[in-house]
Amino acid sequence: NAGVTQTPKFRVLKTGQSMTLLCAQDMNHEYMYWYRQDPGMGLRLIHYSVGEGTTAKGEVPDGYNVSRLKKQNFLLGLESAAPSQTSVYFCASSYSITGTVKYEQYFGPGTRLTVT
Amino acid sequence: RKEVEQDPGPFNVPEGATVAFNCTYSNSASQSFFWYRQDCRKEPKLLMSVYSSGNEDGRFTAQLNRASQYISLLIRDSKLSDSATYLCVVSRYGQNFVFGPGTRLSVLP
Repeated sequence: NAGVTQTPKFRVLKTGQSMTLLCAQDMNHEYMYWYRQDPGMGLRLIHYSVGEGTTAKGEVPDGYNVSRLKKQNFLLGLESAAPSQTSVYFCASSYSITGTVKYEQYFGPGTRLTVT
Repeated sequence: RKEVEQDPGPFNVPEGATVAFNCTYSNSASQSFFWYRQDCRKEPKLLMSVYSSGNEDGRFTAQLNRASQYISLLIRDSKLSDSATYLCVVSRYGQNFVFGPGTRLSVLP
């Protein structure tokens, strides 16, 4: 049981290049999330998904796109990378306990992205 | 005003000390509350969930005050291994988790 995995772990891009970050979870969780974390700031939600085939915008969605074609995978795309997108990106998944408001998130190890 | 606020610290305490962190949130519709621990350059890991007025897990006690909209985390008998950043997180409907900026704790020998 690997939990939440992220690919790649590190990447350096030049301004204007594109890339896709892959998040995979093997816990059969319904919900998946992409966050970015910058120095001195908390995690900020980029996009999230409440189920296969559905996505929604979070707090800082501009410059990113996402897709959830399979329940276990959540992809984050940067179409034209900018230096402001230099950050650590974390993926997370969560489940809910039926009949309660109990949701707990589990995080992947992160992707460190530098855009020059 | 940020939706979730924490004192960034750092809190520098000796081993064996008791330390408490507070977190305030602004959205009264928040339903779920959590404390996460994050070690340097690593992913956040769930420390405790707080679903009612509070709960205890070993040396850690979390309390929730809905009327005043704050959550607290108490760590007793601090260990060197407790040194980390502690993130306060609130959620509505499980679809939107909002993270505080974190409180940094250093436990000194």
